[in-house]
Amino acid sequence: AQSVTQPDIHITVSEGASLELRCNYSYGATPYLFWYVQSPGQGLQLLLKYFSGDTLVQGIKGFEAEFKRSQSSFNLRKPSVHWSDAAEYFCAVGFGGTYKYIFGTGTRLKVLA
Amino acid sequence: NAGVTQTPKFQVLKTGQSMTLQCAQDMNHEYMSWYRQDPGMGLRLIHYSVGAGITDQGEVPNGYNVSRSTTEDFPLRLLSAAPSQTSVYFCASSPTGGAEQFFGPGTRLTVL
Repeated sequence: AQSVTQPDIHITVSEGASLELRCNYSYGATPYLFWYVQSPGQGLQLLLKYFSGDTLVQGIKGFEAEFKRSQSSFNLRKPSVHWSDAAEYFCAVGFGGTYKYIFGTGTRLKVLA
Repeated sequence: NAGVTQTPKFQVLKTGQSMTLQCAQDMNHEYMSWYRQDPGMGLRLIHYSVGAGITDQGEVPNGYNVSRSTTEDFPLRLLSAAPSQTSVYFCASSPTGGAEQFFGPGTRLTVL
């Protein structure tokens, strides 16, 4: 069955530290991959996406993600976290040619000053 | 462009009441969807539409109806509200299948 796993429910980092949020998917082919961010009381905003090509993709707010086919992963990274990055992050997969999407359960990021 | 808009932002219902959550988009997107967000469960798809006049069920459709009479609008109807429908509801749209989705700001619904 198709699934998306975000193994970390909560992550706490200090401001200025690096960040990596994990995402694994289960699917027979390569899906379209997304990371969204949700600030408290807000909707979801797209950070970045991967459809094909270069496996390292750059997004907004200084985030990047790397697609690793062998590990079925699409981890999100940021070299230096800012207090404003505190939010919930969702990994999602889409299936080209269909309208099916699956979201992970989210990782809530807390940033310590 | 306003993007995806949702009304109301907050709503309190009593068990058994019905109501409609409104969603509109001005990007001429084919695909629209409704999700509910519950703590620890991520977003779960309720219903979706791939164009005017075409709708289908998602993962958790029971207790909800949708229609798509125009490209712009995709209302979600709660037929007889239950406390289990207390949630935050998001509408989203996408230009095509598999592409990124654009989300509305959400409607926080409480059913007493």
